[in-house]
Amino acid sequence: GAGVSQSPRYKVTKRGQDVALRCDPISGHVSLYWYRQALGQGPEFLTYFNYEAQQDKSGLPNDRFSAERPEGSISTLTIQRTEQRDSAMYRCASSLRLAGAAQETQYFGPGTRLLVL
Amino acid sequence: DAKTTQPNSMESNEEEPVHLPCNHSTISGTDYIHWYRQLPSQGPEYVIHGLTSNVNNRMASLAIAEDRKSSTLILHRATLRDAAVYYCILRVNTGNQFYFGTGTSLTVIP
Repeated sequence: GAGVSQSPRYKVTKRGQDVALRCDPISGHVSLYWYRQALGQGPEFLTYFNYEAQQDKSGLPNDRFSAERPEGSISTLTIQRTEQRDSAMYRCASSLRLAGAAQETQYFGPGTRLLVL
Repeated sequence: DAKTTQPNSMESNEEEPVHLPCNHSTISGTDYIHWYRQLPSQGPEYVIHGLTSNVNNRMASLAIAEDRKSSTLILHRATLRDAAVYYCILRVNTGNQFYFGTGTSLTVIP
């Protein structure tokens, strides 16, 4: 079946612009995670949802970053007034089970590479 | 604060077993140990996970020390397709977060 999809795959923007990154989880998956990955580093947790409820946003770097999942399916990560330091790969993952379940396995999307000029 | 410690890189000959170590000395009693791997230019993919007992699946085996302060991912016969960065992750039971760390880059030599 279809895996996790993300769009756009690449985004180049100018400093100060807002960007919206989209994640389409695997159908029926209840949990959705957002990560940021710098080159040569492992993914860094940003936030996660169980259904439409944002359970933990402690990883969001500052208040320019926000995420929503209004209907418990597609999610959008928004970065306002982008800065060059926001340049990274942004990855989304979904899980069939609720976050924290013993058998939880996360399925990752291909990511959106963001470049802020 | 690092949750897990792994060697930066390892090499293995093709078709030989590979033992990838991980230290997690701050693990608590309810934290699960997960392993994911990331092939070049791809997102991470699940490999295996465990709590206390050793685990086997079609991809690998996970050996967990008795005190749970370390674990080892075992690839029984490395293939060229196993060349990837392997992440040892603690899923902290109180927070449901995955801490990936920097992982071990595995090179498989033909």
